[in-house]
Amino acid sequence: GQQVMQIPQYQHVQEGEDFTTYCNSSTTLSNIQWYKQRPGGHPVFLIQLVKSGEVKKQKRLTFQFGEAKKNSSLHITATQTTDVGTYFCAGRTGNQFYFGTGTSLTVIP
Amino acid sequence: DGGITQSPKYLFRKEGQNVTLSCEQNLNHDAMYWYRQDPGQGLRLIYYSQIVNDFQKGDIAEGYSVSREKKESFPLTVTSAQKNPTAFYLCASSTIGDSGNTIYFGEGSWLTVV
Repeated sequence: GQQVMQIPQYQHVQEGEDFTTYCNSSTTLSNIQWYKQRPGGHPVFLIQLVKSGEVKKQKRLTFQFGEAKKNSSLHITATQTTDVGTYFCAGRTGNQFYFGTGTSLTVIP
Repeated sequence: DGGITQSPKYLFRKEGQNVTLSCEQNLNHDAMYWYRQDPGQGLRLIYYSQIVNDFQKGDIAEGYSVSREKKESFPLTVTSAQKNPTAFYLCASSTIGDSGNTIYFGEGSWLTVV
């Protein structure tokens, strides 16, 4: 069945270091979305990627969608304590969204 | 304000009891979803609905039931048949039909079995 794998599951970084999380799908996706869930909160939409090879930036966050539309990455440059939380990808096939398992980011001041 | 409202935020259930979690949205979204999240885990789909009076099982539907009598409402009942119901439950909604459909989440409901 459809699966979206996300790695790593946990990441601890010193404040100022970079961070990357990766998602891989077993099938081609029509789009991929990224969400952030702060501790104790609910997932909040960050961005959507639709085109093959697409790259989008939001300040220190860079999102990429693979050429085959099966993988995606989120890269945070120079992490800050406000970046703490769990980052989820959600790949869409048809009308279904398949969430990755999430990467929990801890930023050490 | 537009959005998704879940209630209650915290709920305690005795073993053998059914409980119902409420989810209401005023975003005029066709699709609504229920996810379960266990500590340190990802989101697992319980049920989803794309139209009134119709819903589909997700990956972990056993022990749960839903209804979609109105477009705005998608309540989830956690039945006594669910053996390990303690978890964080998230309701969500989205539009359907084209390539861009942001999922909007409610604030979640914490269910604890005592």
